[in-house]
Amino acid sequence: QQPVQSPQAVILREGEDAVINCSSSKALYSVHWYRQKHGEAPVFLMILLKGGEQKGHEKISASFNEKKQQSSLYLTASQLSYSGTYFCGTVSGNTGKLIFGQGTTLQVKP
Amino acid sequence: DSGVTQTPKHLITATGQRVTLRCSPRSGDLSVYWYQQSLDQGLQFLIQYYNGEERAKGNILERFSAQQFPDLHSELNLSSLELGDSALYFCASSVVIAGGLQFFGPGTRLTVL
Repeated sequence: QQPVQSPQAVILREGEDAVINCSSSKALYSVHWYRQKHGEAPVFLMILLKGGEQKGHEKISASFNEKKQQSSLYLTASQLSYSGTYFCGTVSGNTGKLIFGQGTTLQVKP
Repeated sequence: DSGVTQTPKHLITATGQRVTLRCSPRSGDLSVYWYQQSLDQGLQFLIQYYNGEERAKGNILERFSAQQFPDLHSELNLSSLELGDSALYFCASSVVIAGGLQFFGPGTRLTVL
């Protein structure tokens, strides 16, 4: 079953923060976050494997609440290069089958 | 550059035809995944192969088939093409059989006229 992302779209000014949420009705093995620019391949951001674990890379971090089957992606001090569509992908079983959410479009303006 | 290669980059064909998309995974990766991305359906998992064997299946149509060869490259065959098959087809690869991060190739844009 497809995870649900919110919000569907976000418009920010450079330097502002954003949070993108991803929730699933199924028990999750892992949550994967990707960013995709128009017409390009999704680019891996991070993977979260344990409940409550928070991972980060520079100004982008994420958390995973295994009990609530939710994950959140945090973008701080956004830059123009952050613009794109963000997808969460969830893995529920013992396969690599990634089920993606519908995506959140982020636009960062100068 | 993710290290995953896909050919061709663009493909234009007619309804009823058959096409083959090719994917070469990153060096050392044993798992290959195929995804379809269309405007109305989003990014959809089609099928996974691990070291030559089918591992997981998604909503892949019976008109579509895939295989992974001994050198680990994979092919996705689409037959009896319909207008609705027009989409971006991505291949991804990973080292592990499950749960690991997946690196996506640049995709093949298929247009069915």
